[in-house]
Amino acid sequence: QVQLQESGPGLVKPSETLSLTCSVSGGSMTISTYFWGWIRQPPAMGLEWIGSVSHSGHTYYNPSLRSRLTTSVDTSKSQFSLTLSSVTAADTAVYYCVRQSYDILTDYYVFDYWSQGSLVTVSS
Amino acid sequence: QSVLTQPPSVSAAPGQKVIISCSGSTSNIGRGFISWYQQLPGAAPKFLIYDNNKRPSGIPDRFSASKSGTSATLGITGLQTGDEAEYYCGTWDNSLSAWVFGGGTKVTVL
Repeated sequence: QVQLQESGPGLVKPSETLSLTCSVSGGSMTISTYFWGWIRQPPAMGLEWIGSVSHSGHTYYNPSLRSRLTTSVDTSKSQFSLTLSSVTAADTAVYYCVRQSYDILTDYYVFDYWSQGSLVTVSS
Repeated sequence: QSVLTQPPSVSAAPGQKVIISCSGSTSNIGRGFISWYQQLPGAAPKFLIYDNNKRPSGIPDRFSASKSGTSATLGITGLQTGDEAEYYCGTWDNSLSAWVFGGGTKVTVL
């Protein structure tokens, strides 16, 4: 059973950089049909996709966040990471790391495994 | 404001059926496949439906879904108190070049 667990600070100051790492266990990160992504959920609000990275480092990002966003992967440690720069209060949210699985029949991806989520608050 | 539109809430008595709608456009639902996620109170979302109407292993057949044009629906039959949760639809939006979700629908068992 694949498990994902994020780690990182729960409090970040405005204008600083938010950094989170997700550790993957119970499955391989190097299978080509997977992407590894981040989704966030502001308090009492819906879901927002942030960005995703493949095991080889190919990335694609939400255009609304692209200018502030970097994701990376370290398969040797079974981890992938997120950095979001110049944060504001609007970036306060529960951050989930997720596995995206590719369906060869439909050429589509689904978010099939989710971490438990980590609340990151942006405040001075 | 979410790209995909869902009703904020639906409710029904135990054993009854609820239907949750998800409305989009030709750049998202109309051109691809939709998935659904269940978020129990205080928990992370859980993968519920993929490819418009397929259930992953372990999801009971009380959950069903369909898609027509630019809209999709999720149905839950034999409603149980354990089904009380927020439900989200999601898909790729070709115009935005992003994965998008509905605003979520809260299911209440009366």
